[in-house]
Amino acid sequence: GESVGLHLPTLSVQEGDNSIINCAYSNSASDYFIWYKQESGKGPQFIIDIRSNMDKRQGQRVTVLLNKTVKHLSLQIAATQPGDSAVYFCAENRSGGSNYKLTFGKGTLLTVNP
Amino acid sequence: DTGVSQNPRHKITKRGQNVTFRCDPISEHNRLYWYRQTLGQGPEFLTYFQNEAQLEKSRLLSDRFSAERPKGSFSTLEIQRTEQGDSAMYLCASSAPGGHEQYFGPGTRLTVT
Repeated sequence: GESVGLHLPTLSVQEGDNSIINCAYSNSASDYFIWYKQESGKGPQFIIDIRSNMDKRQGQRVTVLLNKTVKHLSLQIAATQPGDSAVYFCAENRSGGSNYKLTFGKGTLLTVNP
Repeated sequence: DTGVSQNPRHKITKRGQNVTFRCDPISEHNRLYWYRQTLGQGPEFLTYFQNEAQLEKSRLLSDRFSAERPKGSFSTLEIQRTEQGDSAMYLCASSAPGGHEQYFGPGTRLTVT
């Protein structure tokens, strides 16, 4: 079915370390993926996206990797800071046709220890 | 602030009452989406509009739910005869023409007692 899930529900890291958050998806038709950060009591905040014709994309301190062979997506955060503590969601979208809805996974809670 | 705004931020209502939420998207964004999020879960798609046309509705959107976007700008989501299971965060997002990035508002937290 159409689903996006996460391998780990929680991740705890030390400040300054790199973080890797993983995501698995099952829909082969998915061609666009997004990572969101959600802090308590707030709406999801766009971090970075990637299309299926790419396998890597870098932003400021963040990198998204896409492995279509095993339907796996990851978000890497360099030099993790306390302000990075939040729940991270991956979401998938099929940009073809008229379907623009996002399907979210359950999220990973990232805790950064000072 | 030019982001997506939602009102009210919090709503407490008694079971059986009707509630209405409002979403103001980012200016010139032609697509507007509603999602529902329960504690510990990711947002779930409810419906979306392209301009004033409602193009897709989830099976989660029972006949007690109705959404409108009459002028292609702000949108309202109404829940009639609320039930305790309707308690959730209702999120609105918008995206620009030709863009896939969806920008979310802060949400309206609904508590049905």
